[in-house]
Amino acid sequence: DVKVTQSSRYLVKRTGEKVFLECVQDMDHENMFWYRQDPGLGLRLIYFSYDVKMKEKGDIPEGYSVSREKKERFSLILESASTNQTSMYLCASSLSPGEETQYFGPGTRLLVL
Amino acid sequence: GQSLEQPSEVTAVEGAIVQINCTYQTSGFYGLSWYQQHDGGAPTFLSYNALDGLEETGRFSSFLSRSDSYGYLLLQELQMKDSASYFCAVNGHGGSQGNLIFGKGTKLSVKP
Repeated sequence: DVKVTQSSRYLVKRTGEKVFLECVQDMDHENMFWYRQDPGLGLRLIYFSYDVKMKEKGDIPEGYSVSREKKERFSLILESASTNQTSMYLCASSLSPGEETQYFGPGTRLLVL
Repeated sequence: GQSLEQPSEVTAVEGAIVQINCTYQTSGFYGLSWYQQHDGGAPTFLSYNALDGLEETGRFSSFLSRSDSYGYLLLQELQMKDSASYFCAVNGHGGSQGNLIFGKGTKLSVKP
């Protein structure tokens, strides 16, 4: 069965802290994605990666960076957390480019104080 | 710009049929997907249309008209468990395959 896991369900951080959100998939998928979800705004793509060490900016990359050192792991980094980064963060993966089905992790609800 | 429009909320009664529409305007288009998300849960894939026409999967059907940049999700024999948010999504961001642009979601409430 397909599985995408995220390191934390809930996280509370202070403004200015460096925050790491980890995502692991066990399906040998090539593509991995990071979204944030806010009420009334739907899912917005932050970054995606279609191969190890490769990354592409999504619609809202400002204030974020990513790392993909291994195929199964995709990390989202908030270099200096700000209150406007309080959100639900969703990781997803898909088998290969052009594969329409994305599999989502349970999400991390981040609160920045 | 790239955008997908869908109604923010829909209410229907158990056993009824409901249609959730989605219109899109994107620079690239490979197909239209639908995802379901229950409160507190992760989005899960429902259906995908790359070609015009109707795709049926059990109680759920999805339709696409590429010439009209329009699609819909049809839910039949509604059940209480269908109460959730439904997102349409287009694959077509910057010409790269595999990443999706999501609509803002339609919150479906099924009443007894």
